[in-house]
Amino acid sequence: DQQVKQNSPSLSVQEGRISILNCDYTNSMFDYFLWYKKYPAEGPTFLISISSIKDKNEDGRFTVFLNKSAKHLSLHIVPSQPGDSAVYFCAANAGGTSYGKLTFGQGTILTVHP
Amino acid sequence: DSGVTQTPKHLITATGQRVTLRCSPRSGDLSVYWYQQSLDQGLQFLIQYYNGEERAKGNILERFSAQQFPDLHSELNLSSLELGDSALYFCASSVAPGHPSGNTIYFGEGSWLTVV
Repeated sequence: DQQVKQNSPSLSVQEGRISILNCDYTNSMFDYFLWYKKYPAEGPTFLISISSIKDKNEDGRFTVFLNKSAKHLSLHIVPSQPGDSAVYFCAANAGGTSYGKLTFGQGTILTVHP
Repeated sequence: DSGVTQTPKHLITATGQRVTLRCSPRSGDLSVYWYQQSLDQGLQFLIQYYNGEERAKGNILERFSAQQFPDLHSELNLSSLELGDSALYFCASSVAPGHPSGNTIYFGEGSWLTVV
């Protein structure tokens, strides 16, 4: 049972434009969400997170939006840069006794063309 | 650089053998996590330790075990290795539950295990 889903395996964007990566979840116990960026054979790098008490969090070029009623979150990158090309993972955490157990989506490969 | 250190970076071993993967968390982090990334399963949570005690368990096989030592470093032991255990094993760390940053988990570079 895939509790966190990234339905788009890949996304191609032109440099300078906006990249929007989407993530859906099914477990209503999830209360904290994170986005990670990953290059092949390297560890995931933390990008940005959001708590379920918020609906938006910004950090520089990265903004995460959370729609709890739709169980949907998205990561906006603007402007996109070629160095952003990587695999992006959405992850969710239920807190409490499940704290630390991140459930990851399958990832979306972002390619930013110069 | 996340500050999480893992050794070895690469390891090739035969089926039936036993290996130990080592992890040093970020300075000040009390929680250590182990994750497995395989081609067919993606990133999967294995186990978490907090200040030396097991805190949460995921889909970790009985052939696998882990521990966290008083100096907070952790080891993941994989025994009776099978071909299907070939994967990238990540260690991660975080401050602690309840801390404002406690829910952010930082990953190491991974240990690539190949079982032949």
